[in-house]
Amino acid sequence: SQELEQSPQSLIVQEGKNLTINCTSSKTLYGLYWYKQKYGEGLIFLMMLQKGGEEKSHEKITAKLDEKKQQSSLHITASQPSHAGIYLCGAYIQGAQKLVFGQGTRLTINP
Amino acid sequence: DVKVTQSSRYLVKRTGEKVFLECVQDMDHENMFWYRQDPGLGLRLIYFSYDVKMKEKGDIPEGYSVSREKKERFSLILESASTNQTSMYLCASSGAGTSASSRSSYNEQFFGPGTRLTVL
Repeated sequence: SQELEQSPQSLIVQEGKNLTINCTSSKTLYGLYWYKQKYGEGLIFLMMLQKGGEEKSHEKITAKLDEKKQQSSLHITASQPSHAGIYLCGAYIQGAQKLVFGQGTRLTINP
Repeated sequence: DVKVTQSSRYLVKRTGEKVFLECVQDMDHENMFWYRQDPGLGLRLIYFSYDVKMKEKGDIPEGYSVSREKKERFSLILESASTNQTSMYLCASSGAGTSASSRSSYNEQFFGPGTRLTVL
């Protein structure tokens, strides 16, 4: 089983709609990272969250880490075709000395 | 502008061949990582290195070895390629962590563009 569970695994939304991707663990998360990957390419860093309750925004993307530091959500407002790709969360999980990743969420934006 | 480069974007090899994947970073980072990415499995850590000539096994080291002779370069070696090693390989680097209790790093990992390896 995955130490970090992402949901949904796949998401298709109409351009202009809002969407949310979740990243959940049963353990405390330290240094939660969100990355975006265009198909067949490397990962691009989006945001890092460390403190419980922390929220960060960049353009139309907002990421939050819950108070218990076990779940993060990534929210995109008024989605655009440029948002399409695979979104991955990664985190240092309690007891682990390395970054672990979720399975990824494949986002498709329909015009 | 930070940069992690990988020697090839696409590679096709035959079963049994020895394969070298090269990764170079220009950020003077201490830590370097090799992952493979497969559909439905996300990124899985193969090997990582916290220092020159130092290597540690990740989650799936079987069938792979690594070399870090210089700080900026981390090589992944497939001694005898097999079809189940067909995958996307991603290299990453990060600066030294600030944790006093371990060498783990809470710093962001910078990723290369990936090498899509096909073993026939």
